[in-house]
Amino acid sequence: QKEVEQNSGPLSVPEGAIASLNCTYSDRGSQSFFWYRQYSGKSPELIMFIYSNGDKEDGRFTAQLNKASQYVSLLIRDSQPSDSATYLCAVIGGGADGLTFGKGTHLIIQP
Amino acid sequence: KAGVTQTPRYLIKTRGQQVTLSCSPISGHRSVSWYQQTPGQGLQFLFEYFSETQRNKGNFPGRFSGRQFSNSRSEMNVSTLELGDSALYLCASSLGSRVGELFFGEGSRLTVL
Repeated sequence: QKEVEQNSGPLSVPEGAIASLNCTYSDRGSQSFFWYRQYSGKSPELIMFIYSNGDKEDGRFTAQLNKASQYVSLLIRDSQPSDSATYLCAVIGGGADGLTFGKGTHLIIQP
Repeated sequence: KAGVTQTPRYLIKTRGQQVTLSCSPISGHRSVSWYQQTPGQGLQFLFEYFSETQRNKGNFPGRFSGRQFSNSRSEMNVSTLELGDSALYLCASSLGSRVGELFFGEGSRLTVL
């Protein structure tokens, strides 16, 4: 069974610092990797996706992928209180199925 | 551009009943996926429809079913409701070629008593 593992947190980071969120996945055939942000009481929204090994930057967000280690991470630079949310890692495996989500990391940015 | 619309937003049913949830995707999106979200299990994939055909299916019992209409609107049905079906049901749409880049609706919160 395909699994996506995340530390549930809460992860507490001071405002202005770098928040580092990590995710591991079990299916070595996984091809596509996504980070979703979910505010309390709201639905998830896509913030980053990465398909190739290495880093991908978008504003204050950087996604990192290491397929050999089956590891995906999300870095948030200059963290703001508005970044406080649950961050969900999601993976599309090698088979024909939908996204497999981790259970999310609860991030708290302390002013 | 209007987002993904789900109806109803909240509903309460009793065990053994059935429920139908509706989803209207973003205009131009031909893929609609359904997910169940619970505090214990997180987000779990139910099924995906593309051009009126079920393209992918998650690991849920046959009581959970869905369909998609020619205008890309989708419905999901849960028959013989159980207490454990209480959850937030999220619909997401996407361009068919970008499977994981989902736009979620606000969800339908189902409570089974």
